[in-house]
Amino acid sequence: ETGVTQSPTHLIKTRGQQVTLRCSSQSGHNTVSWYQQALGQGPQFIFQYYREEENGRGNFPPRFSGLQFPNYSSELNVNALELDDSALYLCASSPGLAVFDEQFFGPGTRLTVL
Amino acid sequence: AQSVTQPDIHITVSEGASLELRCNYSYGATPYLFWYVQSPGQGLQLLLKYFSGDTLVQGIKGFEAEFKRSQSSFNLRKPSVHWSDAAEYFCAVAPRSNDYKLSFGAGTTVTVRA
Repeated sequence: ETGVTQSPTHLIKTRGQQVTLRCSSQSGHNTVSWYQQALGQGPQFIFQYYREEENGRGNFPPRFSGLQFPNYSSELNVNALELDDSALYLCASSPGLAVFDEQFFGPGTRLTVL
Repeated sequence: AQSVTQPDIHITVSEGASLELRCNYSYGATPYLFWYVQSPGQGLQLLLKYFSGDTLVQGIKGFEAEFKRSQSSFNLRKPSVHWSDAAEYFCAVAPRSNDYKLSFGAGTTVTVRA
């Protein structure tokens, strides 16, 4: 049990729709990172937020956006959903910025796009 | 191009037998190195990490990993596998110049037979 929760657990959307995924970090963790894990693959880094500002971004288009709030919650928003967006979305929280601060992962949200 | 490779997609091992999972990376300089485990319905859990110093790293759950610079490898080992070790294992790297971004391998699924 990492103390990181995600909602919802599962979600089904249709192509072109928009979706918001939520993450609740451990208290005191100022950094949240989001990852996309397609079936049979390793997680891919989407972006990271530190103290409510985007700190870095992977190779994902602008229709993937995020928000981080002062209460240690955060959101991943995906606009104009495509079939390839079907994946497990993981958030991970850590106390600080660097990777040597251990990242604690949530169980993920399984998104299916039809 | 920078990459992390896990050559084995699936490994089956008998309970009590030893386990070795391979990880190779291709980076300009030695990155930070990690091993994570993912059980069904669970988030990723950090097993161990290597930043510098002793090339043999001890982790949780009886796992260890050895960094070999000459082979660009960071293989994970466990002397005696338990049925609860059945899971998916991911090697991950983060370049020292950009250390917020974790890049994961495709994973190795471990099945433990009685």
